[in-house]
Amino acid sequence: AQSVTQLDSQVPVFEEAPVELRCNYSSSVSVYLFWYVQYPNQGLQLLLKYLSGSTLVESINGFEAEFNKSQTSFHLRKPSVHISDTAEYFCAVRNKGSARQLTFGSGTQLTVLP
Amino acid sequence: DTGVSQDPRHKITKRGQNVTFRCDPISEHNRLYWYRQTLGQGPEFLTYFQNEAQLEKSRLLSDRFSAERPKGSFSTLEIQRTEQGDSAMYLCASSYTTEGSEQFFGPGTRLTVL
Repeated sequence: AQSVTQLDSQVPVFEEAPVELRCNYSSSVSVYLFWYVQYPNQGLQLLLKYLSGSTLVESINGFEAEFNKSQTSFHLRKPSVHISDTAEYFCAVRNKGSARQLTFGSGTQLTVLP
Repeated sequence: DTGVSQDPRHKITKRGQNVTFRCDPISEHNRLYWYRQTLGQGPEFLTYFQNEAQLEKSRLLSDRFSAERPKGSFSTLEIQRTEQGDSAMYLCASSYTTEGSEQFFGPGTRLTVL
C-alpha cells in the first residue's frame, strides 16, 4: 500500500513571493507522481506529473516539481505566485504496473495575499 | 463541453434513503473511477471500471454501495440506506488505458445526509 503526506494544510504567502508545497510519499514499488489543483467550486485539474525521465517537471503556468527518489518527495514550487494561484493543491501517487487508482494527500490550501 | 460530467451536483437526503449518482466520462476513455472526498481530506478511491467490467473495489465500498457501468459508457453509483457518515463529495474521473494516463475529474456530486 502507498501513502502520501502533505505536511502543510495551509500556506499563506504574499503575491510575487516564492512558494514551496511539500509532498512525501511511501510505497514499496515504483510510482508515478502527480499534482492536482482544485479552484473554488471547480473539479480537480492536473497541474503536472512525473512518469519517468527528467526528475524536474514543469507546468504551463510556472509551477515545477522535482522527484527525489532518495527522499521520496515530490515538492511543488513556484518562484513568484499570483492571486489567481489561490487554490487547494493535492499531491497524488499511483503505483506502476497493475494498480490504477490514485492515492491522494490531504491537500494544501495555498492562499496568495495582496 | 467534452469533459467529465456528473449529475446531480448536489443531493440532500434523509438518513435511510437511497440515492443514485450518475457520471458521464469523456467518450473515448475506457476507464472510469469513483472517489469520495470528505471535508479537509484528499479524494479516496472507491472503485474503477475498464469498459463495463468493475475491476477493483476499495474496502471503503461497503455493501450499501454499488456501482455499475452497463454499456461501458456512463456509470451510476448507488448508496442504499444512507447514513450521516456518507456525507461527502463523490468524484468521478476517467482516463485512457495507456500506462500513466491522466485521470480527468468531474465537478463532483455533494451529498448531504440529514
